[in-house]
Amino acid sequence: DAGVIQSPRHEVTEMGQEVTLRCKPISGHNSLFWYRQTMMRGLELLIYFNNNVPIDDSGMPEDRFSAKMPNASFSTLKIQPSEPRDSAVYFCASRVGYGYTFGSGTRLTVV
Amino acid sequence: KNQVEQSPQSLIILEGKNCTLQCNYTVSPFSNLRWYKQDTGRGPVSLTIMTFSENTKSNGRYTATLDADTKQSSLHITASQLSDSASYICVVSADFGNEKLTFGTGTRLTIIP
Repeated sequence: DAGVIQSPRHEVTEMGQEVTLRCKPISGHNSLFWYRQTMMRGLELLIYFNNNVPIDDSGMPEDRFSAKMPNASFSTLKIQPSEPRDSAVYFCASRVGYGYTFGSGTRLTVV
Repeated sequence: KNQVEQSPQSLIILEGKNCTLQCNYTVSPFSNLRWYKQDTGRGPVSLTIMTFSENTKSNGRYTATLDADTKQSSLHITASQLSDSASYICVVSADFGNEKLTFGTGTRLTIIP
């Protein structure tokens, strides 16, 4: 089991550019979560999916953020256009029952 | 508003010593409380999970306690090792039909030789 796989590990982009973060959950996990972590605010839930269906996107900061889960083995988080305040570490996690497994995160820097 | 507060914000101790990290929460309706360890540059990894009826749970040198009446939890680390240097995050789950996690901002623990 390779765990939750996120790509890229690091992303540096210029303000205004589109950024796409990718996540492959653990096979058999039926829930997928996207989190953002900053020093000031810690971990914050952006959106989560159950069985590929978005359930709660109330944490998505604004319309510049969007997430998709076209199938059980893949999800994307897109930011368009990106802004410097989006700089953070973005984590994907998948869950079955009570057990959450986090990926290693994508460190996003918007300059 | 559901909140989880952790103390201290950071802690430095000598290798081999014990330490205790604190977590206070105001989360309702309570479902469970988790402690996670997050190494630098990695995602959080679960150490323990406790439901309302559990007072203590151990995972090797890590022992978590829960007092659901006072809404407090602690994580005790025994005989610390250099590899224990990490952030420790307290996470409380509320049950609204769908589980919703509230994260603390963590305690940064540094073990020095």
